[in-house]
Amino acid sequence: KQEVTQIPAALSVPEGENLVLNCSFTDSAIYNLQWFRQDPGKGLTSLLLIQSSQREQTSGRLNASLDKSSGRSTLYIAASQPGDSATYLCAVPFVTQGGSEKLVFGKGTKLTVNP
Amino acid sequence: DADVTQTPRNRITKTGKRIMLECSQTKGHDRMYWYRQDPGLGLRLIYYSFDVKDINKGEISDGYSVSRQAQAKFSLSLESAIPNQTALYFCATSDVWGNQPQHFGDGTRLSIL
Repeated sequence: KQEVTQIPAALSVPEGENLVLNCSFTDSAIYNLQWFRQDPGKGLTSLLLIQSSQREQTSGRLNASLDKSSGRSTLYIAASQPGDSATYLCAVPFVTQGGSEKLVFGKGTKLTVNP
Repeated sequence: DADVTQTPRNRITKTGKRIMLECSQTKGHDRMYWYRQDPGLGLRLIYYSFDVKDINKGEISDGYSVSRQAQAKFSLSLESAIPNQTALYFCATSDVWGNQPQHFGDGTRLSIL
């Protein structure tokens, strides 16, 4: 069974700070790992997808790393802005023994960036 | 216009009622999914469909049914709603599972009294 854990559950930082969000998973046999952003009252927006063969992906001020052997991923946000305030979720695809497929999500880290 | 559109956005109804949540997409994706999100439990997969003729149960399908009317449309039904089905429901699409990001609608907030 695949379990995804995100720590911390909530994080509050002043504007301009660099920060790291953590994601860990129990089964290292993953195809890829995604980081999503969820704004209140909205759906999820995919931020970055890291293939299992990659170690990191970058998009603007965001950098996601993946260490399959240790079952960990981090999302680094540089020079945080109030507009970055949202809940960030990581997710990995998983195929059960019965053959059903699903995306297993962490419970998210709620980020607040204070002006 | 949104790539993945869910209707209604909000719904309040009573126990025992039949409810249908609808999802349509303009991305041309074959794969569509229904999730529910609950505080403290995260997102959980209800049903998924790889094409019009292929529908599969997710981890929490009991009490739900789905219909894939066309490549672009995937509806979720609660045949007899109960209060513990109160949640935020999301529809999502993907081109190729495991290789492409999933695209989510803005959700339907469902409250069952």
